[in-house]
Amino acid sequence: AQSVAQPEDQVNVAEGNPLTVKCTYSVSGNPYLFWYVQYPNRGLQFLLKYITGDNLVKGSYGFEAEFNKSQTSFHLKKPSALVSDSALYFCAVRGPSGGSYIPTFGRGTSLIVHP
Amino acid sequence: DSGVTQTPKHLITATGQRVTLRCSPRSGDLSVYWYQQSLDQGLQFLIQYYNGEERAKGNILERFSAQQFPDLHSELNLSSLELGDSALYFCASSVGAGGTGSPLHFGNGTRLTVT
Repeated sequence: AQSVAQPEDQVNVAEGNPLTVKCTYSVSGNPYLFWYVQYPNRGLQFLLKYITGDNLVKGSYGFEAEFNKSQTSFHLKKPSALVSDSALYFCAVRGPSGGSYIPTFGRGTSLIVHP
Repeated sequence: DSGVTQTPKHLITATGQRVTLRCSPRSGDLSVYWYQQSLDQGLQFLIQYYNGEERAKGNILERFSAQQFPDLHSELNLSSLELGDSALYFCASSVGAGGTGSPLHFGNGTRLTVT
């Protein structure tokens, strides 16, 4: 069975500082990896994905993520955080579990960016 | 705007009742997924339909059922409601059945409160 772990319930960072939101995964076969963001009272919005190729993928709003196969990690990063980045972030893995590719989500990490 | 429409936004009902949640997928998307989001369980996959057929089943209770209609909209039926069914129910859609790694596009959810 596939799984995703987001070890931090909350990440605090000052505006202008770099941010990292951690994600590790477990899946058989080659994974498809995703990051989503959720603002209050809204659905999840797709940020970026890794399918194959370059280990550093770039996404929306200046976010990027680094795929590390040996560490089975897919950490989300941004060089300079904004207060408006404060939201709930979800990592997801999509692998051939049982013949289907149902996305499994982590429990989410609340990012708080302080002015 | 993701292009996925969910109605109603809020639903308050009593224990033992039955409700129907409706979802219209993004134009061109053939897959519809239903997820339940709660504080203690996180984002739990319920069921997926692809082009009118059930594709995958997750942690969906027997009291819950769903279907996808020829126009690709989907309905999630929840019956014999219990207090523990109170949650945010999301519908998401994607282009393919899952093997292509396409991201999910989420609606803004239906908040169900069972009293």
